[in-house]
Amino acid sequence: QVQLRESGPGLVKPAETLSLTCVVSGQSVTTDEYWAWIRQSPGGRLEWIGTMSHYGNTYLNPSLKSRVRLSVDPSQNQVSLQLTSVAAADTAVYFCARSSSRTLFGGQFDLWGQGTLVIVSS
Amino acid sequence: EIVMTQSPLSLPVTPGEPASISCRSSQSLLRSNGYNYLDWYVQKPGQSPQLVIYLGSTRASGVPERFSASGSGTEFTLTIRRVEAEDVGIYYCMQAQEGFSFGPGTKVEIK
Repeated sequence: QVQLRESGPGLVKPAETLSLTCVVSGQSVTTDEYWAWIRQSPGGRLEWIGTMSHYGNTYLNPSLKSRVRLSVDPSQNQVSLQLTSVAAADTAVYFCARSSSRTLFGGQFDLWGQGTLVIVSS
Repeated sequence: EIVMTQSPLSLPVTPGEPASISCRSSQSLLRSNGYNYLDWYVQKPGQSPQLVIYLGSTRASGVPERFSASGSGTEFTLTIRRVEAEDVGIYYCMQAQEGFSFGPGTKVEIK
């Protein structure tokens, strides 16, 4: 059974960098699937952050692209998200998700982690 | 940016009755390969979103046959043939034509 589990600091100060990891169990991150980060605001809106392959190819939301870095660590079987210069608007539940569309551009997020809440506040 | 809208935003349903949700996109989601790049997700209470439909009308693995989806271009519909209590949740459509963007969600609840 494949599972995704996100983890992170919970509370981040404005202007700092948010770092999250997603540990994948039951499957290698180096298979044909792609790995995405999606966040959900307190009001419930879902926003795609970016998608990446284990080769390092990325596809990022243009509105966040300048602040986002995605990475994969096959040795730890995990994917990571860094979001720089955070502000209150970045407060959200952050999900990692698997895309089974066999392309960076296909969606089809068929497996999600439980999400991790990040609050941006001083 | 492709903007997604849904209606209604709230849908009280009676178990055993059908239910339909509409989703519209600001641009066509139909690609030259004939597929509409439109997914449907449901977020049940206290859970993460889960995939219901992909490529416009294909049920995801494990999704009951009472769920179906149709539409093309900019207008799409998710239909639950006979609603069951376990179907309550917020249903989101998501376009995958240009980046990915979600609709605001439709809350399905039992009357």
